[in-house]
Amino acid sequence: QQPVQSPQAVILREGEDAVINCSSSKALYSVHWYRQKHGEAPVFLMILLKGGEQKGHEKISASFNEKKQQSSLYLTASQLSYSGTYFCGPGAGGTSYGKLTFGQGTILTVHP
Amino acid sequence: EADIYQTPRYLVIGTGKKITLECSQTMGHDKMYWYQQDPGMELHLIHYSYGVNSTEKGDLSSESTVSRIRTEHFPLTLESARPSHTSQYLCASTPRGLSYEQYFGPGTRLTVT
Repeated sequence: QQPVQSPQAVILREGEDAVINCSSSKALYSVHWYRQKHGEAPVFLMILLKGGEQKGHEKISASFNEKKQQSSLYLTASQLSYSGTYFCGPGAGGTSYGKLTFGQGTILTVHP
Repeated sequence: EADIYQTPRYLVIGTGKKITLECSQTMGHDKMYWYQQDPGMELHLIHYSYGVNSTEKGDLSSESTVSRIRTEHFPLTLESARPSHTSQYLCASTPRGLSYEQYFGPGTRLTVT
């Protein structure tokens, strides 16, 4: 039931783009994206809601395909500060309202 | 910046000891969560609460227990610590509603010897 993220790791040079994908086997009401740097707590990046509403940082974009139960995070013109582990957290509805199940993470490394 | 605090930040303790990890938030959030995370691994939800006197077990089975007597306070207790409990424990909170992110505390890194 844990969502699957791909790729597991990606290495970029500054200025390059990356896409991180998240697939779930369960119907989704929302998808959260977080970035975690080594030794730190996860930091919020983006929320995508069923119906098209999005909330997040201006420089980060994402998509949410409800039918395919997939979400993708788009990182453009990457900066050194983008390095870290990215987690998607699909949220279910009903009795599991608001509860997130996080993926295994995607390690992003940006080199100068 | 989120106002969610965890103490202690680091704890090294012997097997069999009882420990309580503290988590407090000053934002008045209804929902609070405890996650367990091993180094380089994913976050596993072990407990959550939707309000005072409401607690539920998460997806990952845990020997720990939680309580929610006050909105701002969500402590986690291990009655008898074991080396298998060695991990990082992250607390998070969020307001009511689907369109709100989870705010994470700095975490407690627990080592049981």
